[in-house]
Amino acid sequence: EPEVTQTPSHQVTQMGQEVILRCVPISNHLYFYWYRQILGQKVEFLVSFYNNEISEKSEIFDDQFSVERPDGSNFTLKIRSTKLEDSAMYFCASSESAGSYEQYFGPGTRLTVT
Amino acid sequence: AQTVTQSQPEMSVQEAETVTLSCTYDTSESDYYLFWYKQPPSRQMILVIRQEAYKQQNATENRFSVNFQKAAKSFSLKISDSQLGDAAMYFCAYSDSGGGADGLTFGKGTHLIIQP
Repeated sequence: EPEVTQTPSHQVTQMGQEVILRCVPISNHLYFYWYRQILGQKVEFLVSFYNNEISEKSEIFDDQFSVERPDGSNFTLKIRSTKLEDSAMYFCASSESAGSYEQYFGPGTRLTVT
Repeated sequence: AQTVTQSQPEMSVQEAETVTLSCTYDTSESDYYLFWYKQPPSRQMILVIRQEAYKQQNATENRFSVNFQKAAKSFSLKISDSQLGDAAMYFCAYSDSGGGADGLTFGKGTHLIIQP
């Protein structure tokens, strides 16, 4: 069964450094999403992406974040200058369409900022 | 802004018994979607069941069913004949039906423990 994959599974970085989290969505899906889950808290929506541009974004998704689909398969989340509070699990998801369509989640990348 | 509330941080049920997980939400929209996602210890979230707000009939998927009360803005999940593999975090989630790729709004989750 096709699945969303994410790399790396765990990333440790120093405060102020740039990190890129990578995701490979399911191949025939058109919508892509990033979520984060700070330890012990709820999963929070960051951004959605469709047709090579941002479709929706939350208040969390400020100027230090960016997303890109550099080729036909990868979908990346870049954090330009990491802060301690960026430490979280980051989940990528994809769906065939919007609305009621199921979002398929990847296993997540645990980002630790020291 | 939409909010989703899960008031039960943890629930415990004996294997083969039935358990109900609660979820309430707040929205000013009339058309939307509701979901229950399961997050096992491996942490990959999977969809358990979904409900379109315009449908009055409660969704059912095998041992999983929902009680959708639109006026009360309530969306509970019933798991019948609980199995050890049902042990996980369960998240209730909401999505607008707008044309954009709306993100899901999640509740804080309920940790379901299955007692053998």
